[in-house]
Amino acid sequence: GESVGLHLPTLSVQEGDNSIINCAYSNSASDYFIWYKQESGKGPQFIIDIRSNMDKRQGQRVTVLLNKTVKHLSLQIAATQPGDSAVYFCAENSSLYGNNRLAFGKGNQVVVIP
Amino acid sequence: DGGITQSPKYLFRKEGQNVTLSCEQNLNHDAMYWYRQDPGQGLRLIYYSQIVNDFQKGDIAEGYSVSREKKESFPLTVTSAQKNPTAFYLCASSTSRSYNEQFFGPGTRLTVL
Repeated sequence: GESVGLHLPTLSVQEGDNSIINCAYSNSASDYFIWYKQESGKGPQFIIDIRSNMDKRQGQRVTVLLNKTVKHLSLQIAATQPGDSAVYFCAENSSLYGNNRLAFGKGNQVVVIP
Repeated sequence: DGGITQSPKYLFRKEGQNVTLSCEQNLNHDAMYWYRQDPGQGLRLIYYSQIVNDFQKGDIAEGYSVSREKKESFPLTVTSAQKNPTAFYLCASSTSRSYNEQFFGPGTRLTVL
């Protein structure tokens, strides 16, 4: 597959444990923050988004937390499974760009240890 | 099956040649995007199109060109003016109601020799 994970920050987590992936952003004007997952050799896949006026949003086995004070976004994965091994990208959608395009971060690699 | 397809998966070209990457979607999405991904990097936006016959430059449009003559198709041409064209290219599409949720194709790995 594609070596998209090369030189990325890597989180190694034991299967069954919870994972926390962090992302710092700089644009205070962003309206939405989004998480994507990219498995080896595949295109990214949408996980969850959160509007800037929210602090927390939950999905299936995932929770996204937004701390606007320190411009920090995190994705929590509960009971991590081998299928969660991937590169995770945070992205922003800002009215500065017209809200019709995203700006992606560099990504964090998650490796699940069986 | 609805989805977005890119072909070919691997492409080799000689330096100085233009090459066109294919992207097709049958999701009836209005918006389509082209990204470039390099190892250890995030996705960088090359071009995007919100509607047929219209497109805008992204952050790294130099050396690339696109067309959007049909809703289903958004081909990307990598020209000889692109100084470092070897990369993984990803195409995506979304509805005009939810630009946050983009659907990506499997990507094309372009190697220029």
